[in-house]
Amino acid sequence: DTEVTQTPKHLVMGMTNKKSLKCEQHMGHRAMYWYKQKAKKPPELMFVYSYEKLSINESVPSRFSPECPNSSLLNLHLHALQPEDSALYLCASSPRAGADTQYFGPGTRLTVL
Amino acid sequence: KQEVTQIPAALSVPEGENLVLNCSFTDSAIYNLQWFRQDPGKGLTSLLLIQSSQREQTSGRLNASLDKSSGRSTLYIAASQPGDSATYLCASLMGTGNQFYFGTGTSLTVIP
Repeated sequence: DTEVTQTPKHLVMGMTNKKSLKCEQHMGHRAMYWYKQKAKKPPELMFVYSYEKLSINESVPSRFSPECPNSSLLNLHLHALQPEDSALYLCASSPRAGADTQYFGPGTRLTVL
Repeated sequence: KQEVTQIPAALSVPEGENLVLNCSFTDSAIYNLQWFRQDPGKGLTSLLLIQSSQREQTSGRLNASLDKSSGRSTLYIAASQPGDSATYLCASLMGTGNQFYFGTGTSLTVIP
C-alpha cells in the first residue's frame, strides 16, 4: 500500500462549525505533514509530525488544531474558520522527517461560508 | 528564508517537443530537491528527488539536474505528450530542520 488517503474529499462549513479532516497512511512512515494550498499558489507547510510528536508549527492560527493519534493517522481539527481559510488541504507522509520523498494525498477541498 | 522561483510560470508546446523547466533557489544549503507534478484540483505526485550530493536523476522521459553552487535545478522532459499537461513544482528541503519550500510552479500545456 503506497497511498495516502484523505477524507472527506470536499467540505463546506460555516464559520461557527467544528469539523475535522482526516489523513491516513499504511506505509510505516513516521513523519506526516499538513499543507494548505490556495488556488494557483504552491502548497504552504502548516505542521510536521515526527514520531507522533509535533515538530513544526508554521505560525498557524489556533483555529487549526492538528492531532496525531498514532503513526498512521493525522487529523486536522477546524473551528471558527474564516472564509479566507478556504483552500485545498494536503496531507503528506515520508519515512522520516526531512530526508525522504514525501508522498501526498489527493487533498480535501475546503470551503468556508 | 529560502525563496524558490520557477520560470516560466506557464508554457505551451506542441506534442513531441523536448522542453526544460527551471527552478532557482536563493539558499544553497539544501538537503535535497524534489520535482512534483500536480493535476488541477489534485494532490502532488513525486517525480524525481535529487540529494544534495547528486547532480542528476532520471526516470523514463524525465531528467532532473541540480547545481547547488548556482542555486539551480532543471527538469528536462523529452518527447512531450498531452498527458504531460499539468503544473510542475520544485521543492527544496533545507539542511537544517524540516523546512520544505515549494517553488511558484510552471503550468505546462502540451498541444496535440
